[in-house]
Amino acid sequence: GQQVMQIPQYQHVQEGEDFTTYCNSSTTLSNIQWYKQRPGGHPVFLIQLVKSGEVKKQKRLTFQFGEAKKNSSLHITATQTTDVGTYFCAGTKGSSNTGKLIFGQGTTLQVKP
Amino acid sequence: NAGVTQTPKFQVLKTGQSMTLQCAQDMNHEYMSWYRQDPGMGLRLIHYSVGAGITDQGEVPNGYNVSRSTTEDFPLRLLSAAPSQTSVYFCASSAQGSLHFGNGTRLTVT
Repeated sequence: GQQVMQIPQYQHVQEGEDFTTYCNSSTTLSNIQWYKQRPGGHPVFLIQLVKSGEVKKQKRLTFQFGEAKKNSSLHITATQTTDVGTYFCAGTKGSSNTGKLIFGQGTTLQVKP
Repeated sequence: NAGVTQTPKFQVLKTGQSMTLQCAQDMNHEYMSWYRQDPGMGLRLIHYSVGAGITDQGEVPNGYNVSRSTTEDFPLRLLSAAPSQTSVYFCASSAQGSLHFGNGTRLTVT
C-alpha cells in the first residue's frame, strides 16, 4: 500500500535556528498537504502543493514539492517558540477531494527559548 | 459555524464493550473521515465517506464500523473494544481537499 515516510521524528532547536522536515512517498502523489498540530490540539491545515517542483512560502515557512512528486519538505527559517508542535505531511494518489489522505508519522519540533 | 464537533472528549471502556463516537459537521462538506492517532505512527485512516450513503475502508478498518445516513453526521462504532483500540480519534471533513479536524476523542480501553 501507499506509504508516506517523514523524517526526523523529533527535532530540538534553539530559538532562531532553522528547521527542516522531509516527507517521502513510495508512490507518485497527486498532491501533498502539510498540517501543524500543537500539543494537546488537533491538526490544522497549512498548505497544499499540487504541481511538480512547486515552491510556496508562508512568512518564515517554505514548502517544496519534488519534481517527481514523491517527496516534499517544510523549512522554517529562524524558529520561534510559537513554532512548537508536530508537523505532518499527507498525500493522496487520487483526487484531492476524497479526504482519503495518507499521513506521515510527523516531526515533533521543540524550540528552546 | 461550529465546524467539526466530536463527542465525547474522553471515554474509558472495558474490553468487549461497544460504543459510538459521534461526529457532526455544519459546513455541508461531502467528504468525511476518521483517523486514529498513536505515538510515533502519525494519523492512520480508519474509514472515510465521499457522500451520504457511501463509505469505504481506510488503512486500519478492522474493529470499526461507520455509516453516513446524512451529510452532517459520520459516527464511528466500536463493536467490541480491545486494548489495542486505545488511541486518540479524530474526525475530519473536507470540501476542497484540505481537512478540517474535530477536537478529538481520547479513548482508553482497559
